[in-house]
Amino acid sequence: EAGVVQSPRYKIIEKKQPVAFWCNPISGHNTLYWYRQNLGQGPELLIRYENEEAVDDSQLPKDRFSAERLKGVDSTLKIQPAELGDSAVYLCASSSARTGRGYTFGSGTRLTVV
Amino acid sequence: DAKTTQPPSMDCAEGRAANLPCNHSTISGNEYVYWYRQIHSQGPQYIIHGLKNNETNEMASLIITEDRKSSTLILPHATLRDTAVYYCIVRTDYNQGGKLIFGQGTELSVKP
Repeated sequence: EAGVVQSPRYKIIEKKQPVAFWCNPISGHNTLYWYRQNLGQGPELLIRYENEEAVDDSQLPKDRFSAERLKGVDSTLKIQPAELGDSAVYLCASSSARTGRGYTFGSGTRLTVV
Repeated sequence: DAKTTQPPSMDCAEGRAANLPCNHSTISGNEYVYWYRQIHSQGPQYIIHGLKNNETNEMASLIITEDRKSSTLILPHATLRDTAVYYCIVRTDYNQGGKLIFGQGTELSVKP
């Protein structure tokens, strides 16, 4: 099966500019997650979707971050405006109750804010 | 917060078994132990998980102590490609809304 697909792979933007990341989960996986990973740290959960509903967004900085998962498939994570401290790798993962193997992660988008 | 404690780094000789320890003294009865690894510039990759019994798959073995307060991931014949950061995670069942909370992990270096 195709894995979790993320794009772009790399992104460099100036501070105060907007940026968006896209994720296509594994077909049939109804649960989708966005994680942020700072250099040298483990991934940190930002938001979790069950189909199109955000069921856990307690760690999402809502003043500048937003996410959507229209039709319960693809998802977009947006930052507006970006700050220097947002430089990190943004990871998308998906899972379903059927798999029992935890999450499948994409390769991530490495964001550099200059 | 992560509920596990792992050594920050370990070395292993190529071809030898790599034994990665993890402490999870506050684990609850309905929480599973999951192991993931992350190779540089890639997303985390699932390795194995277990509840009470020891588990084995094509990648590794998971040994969970009887009191479930600690576990060990065993890579039986480590290769250079096993060099990665290994994360031990405890989580509740998927159907109970369990989510993966990552700690710092153990950076395993497999040396020739």
